[in-house]
Amino acid sequence: DAGVTQSPTHLIKTRGQQVTLRCSPISGHKSVSWYQQVLGQGPQFIFQYYEKEERGRGNFPDRFSARQFPNYSSELNVNALLLGDSALYLCASSSDRVGYTFGSGTRLTVV
Amino acid sequence: EDQVTQSPEALRLQEGESSSLNCSYTVSGLRGLFWYRQDPGKGPEFLFTLYSAGEEKEKERLKATLTKKESFLHITAPKPEDSATYLCAVQANSGNTPLVFGKGTRLSVIA
Repeated sequence: DAGVTQSPTHLIKTRGQQVTLRCSPISGHKSVSWYQQVLGQGPQFIFQYYEKEERGRGNFPDRFSARQFPNYSSELNVNALLLGDSALYLCASSSDRVGYTFGSGTRLTVV
Repeated sequence: EDQVTQSPEALRLQEGESSSLNCSYTVSGLRGLFWYRQDPGKGPEFLFTLYSAGEEKEKERLKATLTKKESFLHITAPKPEDSATYLCAVQANSGNTPLVFGKGTRLSVIA
């Protein structure tokens, strides 16, 4: 059974650009969460979606947005990129009965 | 506000030298406490979930314990392959709340 898959694995963007990150949850998992992990820190919560509805939002600016599709996959969009947005972006899927399973992440570098 | 503090920040052990990692937490009603292992550039890998004080779980050389204020991850006779960052996270027992992570403990096991 495939785990949580994220794409791309790495990307480099220029300040001011926009980026879209993608996540496919474990089959049968209806909830997807996004976390940002800056080097040397623990993951910080960005968004949670369940059955295509936003269930929670962390303390991030409106430049960050997300959505969940009917097949439960999800996209995280970041507009007007700043150098400080450079981080590992993690997607986690969960079901009602098990905890959170994380993908390998997308390493975003803003130059 | 839910909070997690992990100590020490970094730990260097000789192979076979047992030790413990600490996770202190404050949460408005604990739904679960999670331990993850994270290798450099990778997503967190699930280890344990603990739900109530007094609970213990074991996996190979790792044993996690939980009290009302803290959790310990005991590592018995570690091997170099146990080198990683160990993350602790809590989930509050109020609705569909996200995980709140500590900064992690970076463990190095030297042969």
